[in-house]
Amino acid sequence: SQQGEEDPQALSIQEGENATMNCSYKTSINNLQWYRQNSGRGLVHLILIRSNEREKHSGRLRVTLDTSKKSSSLLITASRAADTASYFCATSRMDSSYKLIFGSGTRLLVRP
Amino acid sequence: NAGVTQTPKFQVLKTGQSMTLQCAQDMNHNSMYWYRQDPGMGLRLIYYSASEGTTDKGEVPNGYNVSRLNKREFSLRLESAAPSQTSVYFCASSDVDRSLMETQYFGPGTRLLVL
Repeated sequence: SQQGEEDPQALSIQEGENATMNCSYKTSINNLQWYRQNSGRGLVHLILIRSNEREKHSGRLRVTLDTSKKSSSLLITASRAADTASYFCATSRMDSSYKLIFGSGTRLLVRP
Repeated sequence: NAGVTQTPKFQVLKTGQSMTLQCAQDMNHNSMYWYRQDPGMGLRLIYYSASEGTTDKGEVPNGYNVSRLNKREFSLRLESAAPSQTSVYFCASSDVDRSLMETQYFGPGTRLLVL
């Protein structure tokens, strides 16, 4: 069974708006990562947040982690058409740090 | 650096045929992985190799075998392909960084259709 579940499954926004995606997971984690996948391509790592961190920024990306609720959110500010992609959260469990469990992803469409 | 490379990019098989998917990385990573991605399912781990000389089953290993040929190469073999193995297959590699965290680096994928 999958550890992470993203919400929403699909999101359509206008260029310039902010996009927020959520991820929930089930077991204790070592870290949580977000990946991006452009259509027909492999996944690209975006950002990693450790279990003892609550918020992390990277450029236009902001990730939060709430371990009490077993959830994370990815915020993309001032979205661009080039941000159109699928976004996946992946969790690294405490008992096996080198294995990632991926969620089913959020498909983001940024309209020009 | 090429990163993670996979061959072939596309393959069509008939039920019962066998084939091997090849993966190589040039980042000197210890760990390598094989995933499959089906529509709406995200990625599911088939097999992984934490280090050269070791392999372990992931979430969906049935119908597959793997070989960690050396530190660079990790192959996935389908002995008798079935239509249920129609999917996109991704290889990935990773290594522990200074903060003891691991980020995975993915290849471009192999699209497999089993008729």
